[in-house]
Amino acid sequence: EDQVTQSPEALRLQEGESSSLNCSYTVSGLRGLFWYRQDPGKGPEFLFTLYSAGEEKEKERLKATLTKKESFLHITAPKPEDSATYLCAVQARGVETSGSRLTFGEGTQLTVNP
Amino acid sequence: NAGVTQTPKFRILKIGQSMTLQCTQDMNHNYMYWYRQDPGMGLKLIYYSVGAGITDKGEVPNGYNVSRSTTEDFPLRLELAAPSQTSVYFCASSLTGGPNYSNQPQHFGDGTRLSIL
Repeated sequence: EDQVTQSPEALRLQEGESSSLNCSYTVSGLRGLFWYRQDPGKGPEFLFTLYSAGEEKEKERLKATLTKKESFLHITAPKPEDSATYLCAVQARGVETSGSRLTFGEGTQLTVNP
Repeated sequence: NAGVTQTPKFRILKIGQSMTLQCTQDMNHNYMYWYRQDPGMGLKLIYYSVGAGITDKGEVPNGYNVSRSTTEDFPLRLELAAPSQTSVYFCASSLTGGPNYSNQPQHFGDGTRLSIL
């Protein structure tokens, strides 16, 4: 069974204070690892897809990295508008009829104070 | 570009009532999904569809039904609502398929907040 564990559950930062969020996973053959951002009252918004160990992707103040067992979302010099819940999800290898199913972690709630 | 649209945004039901949560997408995506999200929990897959006329169960299908008569629409039916079905329901879609099986990201609607009292 595929499993995703995110830590910490909640993180409070001061504006400009860099940090990292962790996503540990077990999956029967990783096809892709996805990071989403979710604002209160909204649906998840896609950020990144990582496919293989060693891969990195960046978008503004966010950088996602991937190893064979975990992924990190690094936040550099965060701003209050980066406050949100960040969700990690994995997609296992399988036949096309499995519908690209995702297994989600419980998320990390990030608060950035001005 | 509307993306994934869910209606209603909020609903309160009494125990034993039935309702249909509507979901439509205008991106011509072949795959569609229904998730529920309980407070402090990750999203759990209820049902999914790989194309019109094809549906399959996800992780938590009990108490729900779906249909997929068109590419655009994927309604979720609750029969005999129970308090345990109080949750936020999200519909998503993705474009996937073909021999290379590229894993495109799922795009989500803004959810339906359902309370059953």
